[in-house]
Amino acid sequence: GDSVTQTEGQVALSEEDFLTIHCNYSASGYPTLFWYVQYPGEGPQLLFRASRDKEKGSSRGFEATYDKGTTSFHLRKASVQESDSAVYYCALSDPGSGGSNYKLTFGKGTLLTVTP
Amino acid sequence: DMKVTQMPRYLIKRMGENVLLECGQDMSHETMYWYRQDPGLGLQLIYISYDVDSNSEGDIPKGYRVSRKKREHFSLILDSAKTNQTSVYFCASSIGTANYAEQFFGPGTRLTVL
Repeated sequence: GDSVTQTEGQVALSEEDFLTIHCNYSASGYPTLFWYVQYPGEGPQLLFRASRDKEKGSSRGFEATYDKGTTSFHLRKASVQESDSAVYYCALSDPGSGGSNYKLTFGKGTLLTVTP
Repeated sequence: DMKVTQMPRYLIKRMGENVLLECGQDMSHETMYWYRQDPGLGLQLIYISYDVDSNSEGDIPKGYRVSRKKREHFSLILDSAKTNQTSVYFCASSIGTANYAEQFFGPGTRLTVL
């Protein structure tokens, strides 16, 4: 079945540091890839998505590029702020997964903690 | 204002009791979901509903059932709750059936089963 593997556990940074959270996927079809962000006490919300090879998604200074060759969708931000502290989920939706094209497959989440 | 609501936000039950978690959305979305979130496991899909009375099992349906009698409401039912069902439960909805559709999540219900 489909799967998403992302940077495990916690990433601790200082303000203005560069952020990379790795995300690799395995899918039977040509999936759409997503990054969701979850702030404390809230549900996840969409950060951005990409549906085609080499497509870049971006929002709020975060960006990721769909790379079909390396099956990756790494999240990057040049300069993080304390307000970026949250859990980040990489996810995919795969139309080739036997009709379950409404389903999101999530990674296990990465907790980003940014200190001033 | 697009919104997914969940009630209650916090719930404590004893093992063997029945549990009803409720979800509502005001966007007329056809598709709704129930997930549970556990530390180190991320979000796991319990059930999907494609519309009224059209439900399908997700990845971890055992011990749960759902009900959708109106498009805007989707309920998760635990008959005889177990301690391993202690978790945070999220409801979500999405428009249409495209695989690129955004899912809108509610704020979650924290369930503790003693």
